[in-house]
Amino acid sequence: GAVVSQHPSRVICKSGTSVKIECRSLDFQATTMFWYRQFPKQSLMLMATSNEGSKATYEQGVEKDKFLINHASLTLSTLTVTSAHPEDSSFYICSAPRKTERRLANYGYTFGSGTRLTVV
Amino acid sequence: AQSVAQPEDQVNVAEGNPLTVKCTYSVSGNPYLFWYVQYPNRGLQFLLKYITGDNLVKGSYGFEAEFNKSQTSFHLKKPSALVSDSALYFCAVDDYKLSFGAGTTVTVRA
Repeated sequence: GAVVSQHPSRVICKSGTSVKIECRSLDFQATTMFWYRQFPKQSLMLMATSNEGSKATYEQGVEKDKFLINHASLTLSTLTVTSAHPEDSSFYICSAPRKTERRLANYGYTFGSGTRLTVV
Repeated sequence: AQSVAQPEDQVNVAEGNPLTVKCTYSVSGNPYLFWYVQYPNRGLQFLLKYITGDNLVKGSYGFEAEFNKSQTSFHLKKPSALVSDSALYFCAVDDYKLSFGAGTTVTVRA
């Protein structure tokens, strides 16, 4: 089945440094990648939508200069948390739609395994 | 805007008993509804989806969900819960991007 590989699974960084999270679609082309943030025992909040070869679309309230998203190829999207602060500590998850046409049997979304970011 | 609501933060059941996790939706037009499960520090695993067709949808791990248009509900059910079903469950609606409910923590006690 469709797999999205997300790395790293967990990272601890110092305040003020930048951290890059990668999501790769292993057996399908992900023209779109959704990036979510999740606080403990809470729901997933959509941060941004990246599309291959174009600028990402950010949800209201998300700082695009802080959360840099790059989607340079059909199999790789990255999220860089710049100048990280302790309040950026969270669980970040990526997701890619397998098919955009709902009538197709394998329509759905595949999620990465998540990245636990801790900023100290 | 399309949305889903999960009215229960937590559901506790004994192993072997039926499990129900509630979800209601608010959409315009035909809803595209999903259920996902999340284990600690993991991504989301797909359980089932409703696009069209039969109101009773069967999914992974013995789960099923019933789409009820009159009640605008899409409750997740399992006839006999297992301890290993203890996890965080999310209902979601697709409007060309997924919007999630708040999540329901399920605890199945032995």
